[in-house]
Formats: sequence, C-alpha cells, structure tokens
Amino acid sequence: QQQVKQSPQSLIVQKGGIPIINCAYENTAFDYFPWYQQFPGKGPALLIAIRPDVSEKKEGRFTISFNKSAKQFSLHIMDSQPGDSATYFCAASWGADGLTFGKGTHLIIQP
Amino acid sequence: DSGVTQTPKHLITATGQRVTLRCSPRSGDLSVYWYQQSLDQGLQFLIQYYNGEERAKGNILERFSAQQFPDLHSELNLSSLELGDSALYFCASSVSGTRDEQYFGPGTRLTVT
Repeated sequence: QQQVKQSPQSLIVQKGGIPIINCAYENTAFDYFPWYQQFPGKGPALLIAIRPDVSEKKEGRFTISFNKSAKQFSLHIMDSQPGDSATYFCAASWGADGLTFGKGTHLIIQP
Repeated sequence: DSGVTQTPKHLITATGQRVTLRCSPRSGDLSVYWYQQSLDQGLQFLIQYYNGEERAKGNILERFSAQQFPDLHSELNLSSLELGDSALYFCASSVSGTRDEQYFGPGTRLTVT
C-alpha cells in the first residue's frame, strides 16, 4: 500500500485556536480521503471525508482543504475546545481497497 | 456508538495459540473490514469482505484468516500467535465497500504472553 504522511506528530493549541493537521499522499489513484478522531481505548470515529472533485468541505467546526495538484490535504478545527483533545488520523483509499492511514497526530487543546 | 459491535473486548492468550475475533456490522452494511492497530505499525488494513465474498487484501499474515457469514457478521482467526501479534484489532463496516464511509467498532485488545 502507498504511504500517507501526516504531520505534525503532536500539537498543543490554546482553547479557541485553530489546529491544522496536514497529510500528503503518493498514490494518485487515491480518490477518497477521510479524517478520523480517536480517544484512548476507543475505536476511530469518522469526522469528515472528501473526494478529489472538491477543494474544501466543511462540517460544523471541522474543515478539510484538498489540493489535488500538490497531493496534500489538511484538517482545520475551528474554535477548538478541550474536548477536541484526541488523536487524529488522516486516511486515503481507492476503489474497494481498505484505508491507508497516516501515523496520527496527538492533539491537546489547553483550557 | 457506531453501531458496529465486536467481541470479546479483551483477550489474553499464550504464544502458539489460536483465537477468533467476532464482528457484527451496522444494520444495512454489507461490507466488513478488519484493521490492526499497534504502536510501531499504526493502523493497518488487513482484509475486506463484501456480502460474504473476499474483496480486498492488505497486510494480512498467512497465519491470519477471515470470513463473512450469510448473516453478514465476520470472524477474524489468528493462529500460531506470536508476541508481536499483540495489538488492537478493529472491525469497520460500510454500505457498499467502495469509496464510502467506514464506521469502526470499539475493538478487541489482544495480548499474547
């Protein structure tokens, strides 16, 4: 499976700030890009997903920006709250294949 | 709660043994995926089934196998277990199994001693 590179590995942001997590991929066949949130001891929870025919998608406080030519996509969390503290994973897939995940970003939102 | 159920929640076993993990997908979902999460490898796709048939394979070891039954539940069989197989095993389900939302279960934590 092709790699998905995620950065930063960890991130600390003050409450109300906008954490930004970036991912880059290699396989141009990827056509589905979801983001997952995982709390300790729980399964990953789907946050938001985008397909390459759009450059931005917003759901509540979460926004994905997608740059097809650069093969990059990012997650922005608006008005971040301490309850958003979790590990975030970007992922990519194509066709019927399973998801290829980034290594994760451990996000801490300080009160 | 995603609607995906997995049993057991925890499993402790010895090297060389065989275990079976079980997953029930969300109501209406035909596709089941299995993933392994470990500290060194991260989240890795193992295998996908759609409506009882194997559809895609990832980094699944030959010692591991899976199947999906007519009622759509799935089982992941892990045999000749090694210490390195200790990990969280997640099942996910989706409606069509192609470029659609995958919903993850709570996982089974496997410890091999």
